[in-house]
Amino acid sequence: SQQGEEDPQALSIQEGENATMNCSYKTSINNLQWYRQNSGRGLVHLILIRSNEREKHSGRLRVTLDTSKKSSSLLITASRAADTASYFCATDVRGGSYIPTFGRGTSLIVHP
Amino acid sequence: DAGITQSPRHKVTETGTPVTLRCHQTENHRYMYWYRQDPGHGLRLIHYSYGVKDTDKGEVSDGYSVSRSKTEDFLLTLESATSSQTSVYFCAINSGQGGNTGELFFGEGSRLTVL
Repeated sequence: SQQGEEDPQALSIQEGENATMNCSYKTSINNLQWYRQNSGRGLVHLILIRSNEREKHSGRLRVTLDTSKKSSSLLITASRAADTASYFCATDVRGGSYIPTFGRGTSLIVHP
Repeated sequence: DAGITQSPRHKVTETGTPVTLRCHQTENHRYMYWYRQDPGHGLRLIHYSYGVKDTDKGEVSDGYSVSRSKTEDFLLTLESATSSQTSVYFCAINSGQGGNTGELFFGEGSRLTVL
């Protein structure tokens, strides 16, 4: 079963709008990461947030983590057509080995 | 770029034939992983390695074996390919140190079609 699950499965917005996607997970984690995957390519790391952190920023990306709710959100501000991709969260279970577990992803389409 | 390459990038084979996918890294990282990606399932872990000759199973390991005789190479073998193993396979390396998972670097994927 998936440790992390992204929501929504698909998101379609206009350029300039903000995009928010969420990730829920089941067990305590060491950290949570977000990745982007362009069509036909490998995954690319976006941001890592540790279990003792609540918010991180990287450029137009903002990630929050609520360990009490076992959830995280990724906000992309002022979206661009180039942000069109699938986005995945990955969690590393606390106490486990280095085994990042991925969700099914959110497919984001940004219309120019 | 992280220095991780997969080969072959594309392969078409027939049911029952053996297939080996290769993952090569130039980063000297300890942890390496093989995932498969299928529509509706996201990425699922097949096997992973935490050092030379040290490997363990993931959630979808049936029908797959791995080997790691050198730090830089992690091989995934399908002993007798089946149509259900048609998928895109990704290798990843972990840049983490100490007790926390670091950033994963992914290869570009190997698209396998089993007829």
